Amino acid sequence: DVQLVESGGGLVQPGGSLRLSCAASGFTFSSSSMHWVRQAPGKGLVWVSRISSDGTTITYADSVRGRFTISRDNAKNTLYLQMNSLRAEDTALYYCSRSNFDIWGLGTMVTVSS
Amino acid sequence: DVVMTQSPLSLPVTLGQPASISCRSSQSLVHSDGNTYLTWFQQRPGQSPRRLIYRVSNRDSGVPDRFSGSGSGTDFTLKISRVEAEDVGVYYCMQGTHWPPWTFGQGTKVEIK
Repeated sequence: DVQLVESGGGLVQPGGSLRLSCAASGFTFSSSSMHWVRQAPGKGLVWVSRISSDGTTITYADSVRGRFTISRDNAKNTLYLQMNSLRAEDTALYYCSRSNFDIWGLGTMVTVSS
Repeated sequence: DVVMTQSPLSLPVTLGQPASISCRSSQSLVHSDGNTYLTWFQQRPGQSPRRLIYRVSNRDSGVPDRFSGSGSGTDFTLKISRVEAEDVGVYYCMQGTHWPPWTFGQGTKVEIK
């Protein structure tokens, strides 16, 4: 089965850090660009970041640029999102998704609160 | 950034009746490669988004044929020919022509009257 499984979410204080992971299976991960998309509680979908299949081309939403870092390990079939300097407005369910948004994980919840 | 505007934001429908959701973009979504990267997603309550339609009118595998997408340029529509109970949820359009960023509409909540 084609599958994406996110992990690493949790409760963190403002200014803190978290590292999210997205484990891929059932498809050729190394051939697929990947995205992170987030959804604040009760709100809509917001694109966060994208990384090319080989990891050389990376883009971010303005709201996270300079604080978040996307990366991947094709040998481990895993996508990452390093989140630093977290703010209350980063509180959301974070999804990973394959290149053309045809596959989504279940998401991992990040809560930024003191 | 391209702004995606959906209407209505709430859509009460009667079972078996048709439903239509509009999505407008702030600029043409025709890419220089000739394709139009407009995608529709369904998000059922408590679930992850699911892609329904890509490149305006192409249904994903397993999507019932009561769902159809149409449009061009800046105006797009998702139609459900006969709404069923399992269609309840929020529907989003998204553009992937002028990236970054990929941008979503606000979402349209479909509920049963």
